[in-house]
Amino acid sequence: DSGVTQTPKHLITATGQRVTLRCSPRSGDLSVYWYQQSLDQGLQFLIQYYNGEERAKGNILERFSAQQFPDLHSELNLSSLELGDSALYFCASSIGGGNTGELFFGEGSRLTVL
Amino acid sequence: GENVEQHPSTLSVQEGDSAVIKCTYSDSASNYFPWYKQELGKRPQLIIDIRSNVGEKKDQRIAVTLNKTAKHFSLHITETQPEDSAVYFCAFGEYGNKLVFGAGTILRVKS
Repeated sequence: DSGVTQTPKHLITATGQRVTLRCSPRSGDLSVYWYQQSLDQGLQFLIQYYNGEERAKGNILERFSAQQFPDLHSELNLSSLELGDSALYFCASSIGGGNTGELFFGEGSRLTVL
Repeated sequence: GENVEQHPSTLSVQEGDSAVIKCTYSDSASNYFPWYKQELGKRPQLIIDIRSNVGEKKDQRIAVTLNKTAKHFSLHITETQPEDSAVYFCAFGEYGNKLVFGAGTILRVKS
């Protein structure tokens, strides 16, 4: 158990819909990262937050948005869903701020868009 | 942009043989180079990492080497076992910041 909690574990929805994925980082970790893993693909970086502020942005679509709340949990919002958005979405956390670089991953949220 | 090339994409070895996976990265400012293992249907987990001030690090059957001049780093697994079968990802980054991952190597250890 990494200490990172993601919900829901599985989600099936239709094209055009909107979903929210939730992540609670490890206790004490200030950084949260979101990665997308499509079938047979690597881990594509979406976005990073550190202590409530956006720190880095990857190839995140405009239809996607995220935020980190004062209690440090994070949400990834995916809207106007398309078939190609079907993927495993991982949240990871780390202490951040220039300390250890290890990322601790959650179990992922598997999104299926029909 | 930042990227890392990982080779090979698939690797099959006989149990007991060694396996080597190589990565080349683009960002000269990178100072942290981890390797993650992902078993089928599970989350990626760190197996070993190396900082830029070290050329080699070993942990039992696993070792990582880093050549900063050539921007290469490699994972070496000796005496492979069936439980080593998984997808391995290299990554690079800066302390406290995002990691950029390679495309992954599917390692199959045949018994």
